Parts: sequence; structure tokens; C-alpha cells
Amino acid sequence: DAKTTQPTSMDCAEGRAANLPCNHSTISGNEYVYWYRQIHSQGPQYIIHGLKNNETNEMASLIITEDRKSSTLILPHATLRDTAVYYCIVRPSNNAGNMLTFGGGTRLMVKP
Amino acid sequence: EAGVTQFPSHSVIEKGQTVTLRCDPISGHDNLYWYRRVMGKEIKFLLHFVKESKQDESGMPNNRFLAERTGGTYSTLKVQPAELEDSGVYFCASSQDLQAVEGYTFGSGTRLTVV
Repeated sequence: DAKTTQPTSMDCAEGRAANLPCNHSTISGNEYVYWYRQIHSQGPQYIIHGLKNNETNEMASLIITEDRKSSTLILPHATLRDTAVYYCIVRPSNNAGNMLTFGGGTRLMVKP
Repeated sequence: EAGVTQFPSHSVIEKGQTVTLRCDPISGHDNLYWYRRVMGKEIKFLLHFVKESKQDESGMPNNRFLAERTGGTYSTLKVQPAELEDSGVYFCASSQDLQAVEGYTFGSGTRLTVV
């Protein structure tokens, strides 16, 4: 079972920031938070991951709360092409449990 | 670099027939994974190869599914005989290192329809 809770769906206006929340209150100390997304008719795409610190890359920013029980994925300037299902996944940092456990994700609709 | 390639992109077969899905990982990636999403359900892990060896096949649903990776390059997933509930999208992913800290690369999937 997925160890994360996400809203089922969200809307965002094109050009605005999309903030996608994720609750992972049972996360363990050795578990990373990963974000993937799936655009229609494509395979899941890795976005970003973090352990404790906030992270930023060319796609998004990841804000992890100090207690690590929740996080937020931020797409700073959402475009129509960002419409997708976004998955928040916790995963151990060691070799155990190498699989990804997908939950239902958040369906983000970016509107013009 | 070329991404993860899956073939065919779509397959429609009759119940009881056999289908073989193929995955070509990114060149040099020792780790290869199969996942699937059946209708209305979440994406689920099937199995993980490290080179030609099965590292974890805990997600394989039953013995109608056979995955191989001879030579440690491409992989095949055979469903024999196919049942209606096998319909869904089958994804393959690869990573260079075991921990895949920087994430996996997924293919676009094979949409399997069993009628």
C-alpha cells in the first residue's frame, strides 16, 4: 500500500504556480520522498526527490517540512503541458525495497 | 541517449492466446523493472532484473506471466494464456545503479487489451 496521501485532483491557471501537497506522516528516517508524473499516454516521468532539505531542479521545487511528515511539489510557472497525474512516493534509501509504490496521485489540470 | 523502448505500443489479443512484450532499456542500465496498470487500478510493480538475474519478482501476479532477460540486455514479458483481467498498460523502466537514487526512466508502455 502507498504510504502517501494526495488530493485526487487540482486545477491551476496557466502561468501560475502549481503547489501539489503530499502527506507522508509515517515516513521513516531512511526514506526519500520522490515525485513522478504521468502525462497521458506516456510512462511515468521522474521529477525530483529529497530526503530532508528542500530541492530544486529545472522542472520543479520540492519543499519538505521539518518533521518530514509532508511535502509540496511546486511547478513555478505551470503550462498546459504540465497537465498530468502527479505521484508522491516514499522509498527507502538503502537497497531494500527497490520498487516504487504508486498511489492514486493527484490529477493536475492546467487551464488556459 | 535513446530512452527505454517498448514494443509493441498496443496489442489486442483474444482470451487464451499468448502475447510477448519487449523492453529495451537504456544502454548500460543493468537494472530493468516491469510495472503495470490494470483498468481502474494503480500502477503496480511486477519484477526487477539486475542484468540477467531476477532480483525481485514479488509482484508477478501468477505463473501465466514469464519474464526473461537473457544476456542482460532487452527483456521480454510473456503472458500465456492471456485472461481478460490482464488488460492494462505494461511499463518497463531502467536505471543504471541499484539504488536508482536519481530515479528510473520509464518507457511509454504497451497497452494490452484481451478480448
